[in-house]
Formats: sequence, C-alpha cells, structure tokens
Amino acid sequence: NAGVTQTPKFRVLKTGQSMTLLCAQDMNHEYMYWYRQDPGMGLRLIHYSVGEGTTAKGEVPDGYNVSRLKKQNFLLGLESAAPSQTSVYFCASSYSGANWGEQFFGPGTRLTVL
Amino acid sequence: KQEVTQIPAALSVPEGENLVLNCSFTDSAIYNLQWFRQDPGKGLTSLLLIQSSQREQTSGRLNASLDKSSGRSTLYIAASQPGDSATYLCAVPTGANNLFFGTGTRLTVIP
Repeated sequence: NAGVTQTPKFRVLKTGQSMTLLCAQDMNHEYMYWYRQDPGMGLRLIHYSVGEGTTAKGEVPDGYNVSRLKKQNFLLGLESAAPSQTSVYFCASSYSGANWGEQFFGPGTRLTVL
Repeated sequence: KQEVTQIPAALSVPEGENLVLNCSFTDSAIYNLQWFRQDPGKGLTSLLLIQSSQREQTSGRLNASLDKSSGRSTLYIAASQPGDSATYLCAVPTGANNLFFGTGTRLTVIP
C-alpha cells in the first residue's frame, strides 16, 4: 500500500496564478483533510471531507477550494494564489472522524508564491 | 478555544538517555490525543493514539500517557538513538473533525 500520496512535491507560483494539489489514498478511508504548516504556527486545518461528494470548511479555508469526486482523491485548489499562501501543504486521511480515528499523513507539497 | 503547548521547543540529549516530551492542552473535553513524528522536509508519521479512556499506550521504546483532568500528556522515549532525532508533535481533536496541533519539540540525539 502506498498510503497517502501527494502531487506535486514542490511548486512555485506567481501571484494570481492558479493550481490544484492532488491527494490520493489507498486505504479506503472515508475522511480526508487538507492542512497547511507554517513556521511557529503548527498545522492548521483548511478543509476536510467526511465522504465522497462532501466537503467542509476547517480553521483557515479562505482562498482555497476543494473537491472530493472520488473516495480515494481529495483535491485542493488555489484560484488566485497570494504570497500568504506560501506554505507546506499536507493531506491526511482517516477511517473515522478526528474524535475516534488515527490520521495518516502524506509527504507534503511545498508551495512558494512569489 | 483549544490551545496545545509543547515544552521545550528543542531538546538535545546524548545517545542512550531516557527522555520525556511534554504536551499540555487547555480544554480537557477530548476524545483522544495523538503523537506524531516529523522528519525534516517530510510528512507526519503517527506514533501513538491514546483514547480518553486509556491512561497509557506503548509501542516499542515509546510510551505515551494521558491525564485529561490536568490537561497533560507525556511521550517517554527509552534508550534514545540518533535515529530518534526529529520533531515530535501532539494533537487533540477539537470538534468532530479538526485536529489541533502543538508546535512541536525538536529532538536531537547526539551519538
């Protein structure tokens, strides 16, 4: 099993450009999450999904959109990138919600917005 | 709002020492607490998840304890090795689907 994979690993964007980050998991998990990690701030939840076709906002959703068209994939989109979105993005998945289930993380995507 | 604090922010120990990492949280109404390891430039690896009904959880040289009433958890690492060098993060659920993370303790084990 590959677990949780993320593409791309690195990306540099110019302000105003758009991009999509792809997360895939092969553990048949219902729940999927997108976090961002910034120095000195810890990981913060951007959006999450409790199943195929569902999405919900997390702690810092502004400037991002997500889609969960297939159970195994969770996409994070930036429509108009801003320098404040320079960060490392992590995807995670779990069998059940945060109150019950262990979360498994992907290797991350390092995004720089110039 | 939940706050999670990990002290110290960095720790250096000689190989072979036993050590304790600390995690404290302000809202004790949690269902579980999870400890992660993060190597530089890498993702997070889940180490241990302790349910609120448990007091301890063990995996190999790692032992995590949870005291909900005092809002504290500790991660004990026995006989530390250079390969244990990493950042260790603790996280607690806030609401049904949000994990709230501490900022971590960066551990260096000196050969």
